[in-house]
Amino acid sequence: RKEVEQDPGPFNVPEGATVAFNCTYSNSASQSFFWYRQDCRKEPKLLMSVYSSGNEDGRFTAQLNRASQYISLLIRDSKLSDSATYLCVVNRGTGGFKTIFGAGTRLFVKA
Amino acid sequence: DAGVIQSPRHEVTEMGQEVTLRCKPISGHDYLFWYRQTMMRGLELLIYFNNNVPIDDSGMPEDRFSAKMPNASFSTLKIQPSEPRDSAVYFCASSFKVTEAFFGQGTRLTVV
Repeated sequence: RKEVEQDPGPFNVPEGATVAFNCTYSNSASQSFFWYRQDCRKEPKLLMSVYSSGNEDGRFTAQLNRASQYISLLIRDSKLSDSATYLCVVNRGTGGFKTIFGAGTRLFVKA
Repeated sequence: DAGVIQSPRHEVTEMGQEVTLRCKPISGHDYLFWYRQTMMRGLELLIYFNNNVPIDDSGMPEDRFSAKMPNASFSTLKIQPSEPRDSAVYFCASSFKVTEAFFGQGTRLTVV
């Protein structure tokens, strides 16, 4: 079982739709969490950090559930420009600091 | 700051040749990471350095791969000898403490 798991998708949604991605992690010692976005043939870039209290950045909302060991990303009012791969990222500090990337969830937003 | 700088952007080489990928991290960052991305395996952490010291190289696939960081502003990833299955995009990333990692644009390696 992978340490960080995501549904690979693809998710095909119309413009204006709300879409949610989930990500589960297996190491309870994980300390910090992020969502990255990767466009085709580009490098991953930070979309947002994920805090225990949940956080929002415009149309994007991230949630962390430590008890169930999952994080989520909600995108409201999807835009064509949201089409990308969304990577769930987990940092853990025990057993050596490590940044673990999920395999990513592909999103296609269509007109 | 110019961000993380990688070179070359593209590399095509023949099987058996030595390949050296280069990375200049963001000034002031104390962590440097080398990743490999393929369609089949996604983004894999190969090795990371903290203050120029290799901390975890458990992701390095085999002895043909080696990485160095002689100073805070430069790192190399070397593959010798290269094989077709090494074809991938290799990313270098840097971060300050355990925070957001900034990625370079990657090196697209093709071994024929």
